[in-house]
Amino acid sequence: GAGVSQSPRYKVAKRGRDVALRCDSISGHVTLYWYRQTLGQGSEVLTYSQSDAQRDKSGRPSGRFSAERPERSVSTLKIQRTEQGDSAVYLCASSLRFGTGVVRTEAFFGQGTRLTVV
Amino acid sequence: GESVGLHLPTLSVQEGDNSIINCAYSNSASDYFIWYKQESGKGPQFIIDIRSNMDKRQGQRVTVLLNKTVKHLSLQIAATQPGDSAVYFCAENPFFISGGYQKVTFGTGTKLQVIP
Repeated sequence: GAGVSQSPRYKVAKRGRDVALRCDSISGHVTLYWYRQTLGQGSEVLTYSQSDAQRDKSGRPSGRFSAERPERSVSTLKIQRTEQGDSAVYLCASSLRFGTGVVRTEAFFGQGTRLTVV
Repeated sequence: GESVGLHLPTLSVQEGDNSIINCAYSNSASDYFIWYKQESGKGPQFIIDIRSNMDKRQGQRVTVLLNKTVKHLSLQIAATQPGDSAVYFCAENPFFISGGYQKVTFGTGTKLQVIP
């Protein structure tokens, strides 16, 4: 596709359940990031993965959050034992390069998945 | 769509006027900054970036100013149009991850409302 696509757009989960959010990134992009955006509180990166030469490096999972990359342009964010504080918009972004070194490139974002934990 | 901007600082500008959106950053070692625009229901979009060895960079209708002394960044939009209405975020070292995992945080954003 032309851009980064996320599914589902909206997800309602019962507290304590696990959820999985999908991101289809741009073909050829090396790095995938997952962000959580909370109303009025900004965004924070949850995890990232870098894939080149068919090797996958996933960011250290943050507690209940982890990302898997079953294919180079697909990532799944898994949230275990959801809590009400997990309600937020989850954004996926991909970039052509990894963000170290002299050259850094912009990342392209999906439209987000709005998760509501009830 | 998403109501990202409900509790954000809001700047209201008349169409055709210039807009200035400000951002303070925290890490004096930050050397790369990006401004993003996020419209309702969409993900953030890159607008313009600047490295710390510059204090000004111009794009099409946008200018970013960097003041490292006071750790301040501003985005100027010339001749603001209704299509500029969105939430604007600045991010410092947004995708720089050194060694292991590093938490990167965007600012909360400023909502720009353009009055026709």
